[in-house]
Amino acid sequence: AQSVTQLDSHVSVSEGTPVLLRCNYSSSYSPSLFWYVQHPNKGLQLLLKYTSAATLVKGINGFEAEFKKSETSFHLTKPSAHMSDAAEYFCVVIPNRYSTLTFGKGTMLLVSP
Amino acid sequence: DGGITQSPKYLFRKEGQNVTLSCEQNLNHDAMYWYRQDPGQGLRLIYYSQIVNDFQKGDIAEGYSVSREKKESFPLTVTSAQKNPTAFYLCASSIEFGNTEAFFGQGTRLTVV
Repeated sequence: AQSVTQLDSHVSVSEGTPVLLRCNYSSSYSPSLFWYVQHPNKGLQLLLKYTSAATLVKGINGFEAEFKKSETSFHLTKPSAHMSDAAEYFCVVIPNRYSTLTFGKGTMLLVSP
Repeated sequence: DGGITQSPKYLFRKEGQNVTLSCEQNLNHDAMYWYRQDPGQGLRLIYYSQIVNDFQKGDIAEGYSVSREKKESFPLTVTSAQKNPTAFYLCASSIEFGNTEAFFGQGTRLTVV
């Protein structure tokens, strides 16, 4: 069985402070992992992806994530939050090439001035 | 301008009526997907199609139907058998099935009145 768990349903930060959104996955194989962002009433936009190359993955808008196989984690970070980062973030896993995307339940990021 | 187009953006339906949501892509992708999004539940897979003239049930297919007669089109019909159809519906496509990122449309919000 494969699944993905986002450990926080909501994360609140102040503008200019670091962001950490946590994601753990379970997979029997080497998975592909993604982070997507969704602004209200919009579709999902790909932030970054891990597909068994470098374990530290850089994405758009200053976000990055590190694949840690020993911890089965793929946490999303950003050094300094911006107001425009306020959105919902989804961690997604594809366990193997024969599977579809499996979504976490999402983490709402709130950014205060 | 390549992408995925969903229409309409908002849709209202009376109970007991079938309704069809449109999804068109000009990315030349083989695989297409329909997801349903409800608050706090992430995205759940309704149907997917790996290639034209083929489609498979996802996790919550009951009360829905699809067709894939053309590579660029994957319409979703919400039938009267769907007990709780009010939701945000997202269409996506990927270059091939499995192990690759998906690109999303802007979504259709369906409300049953």
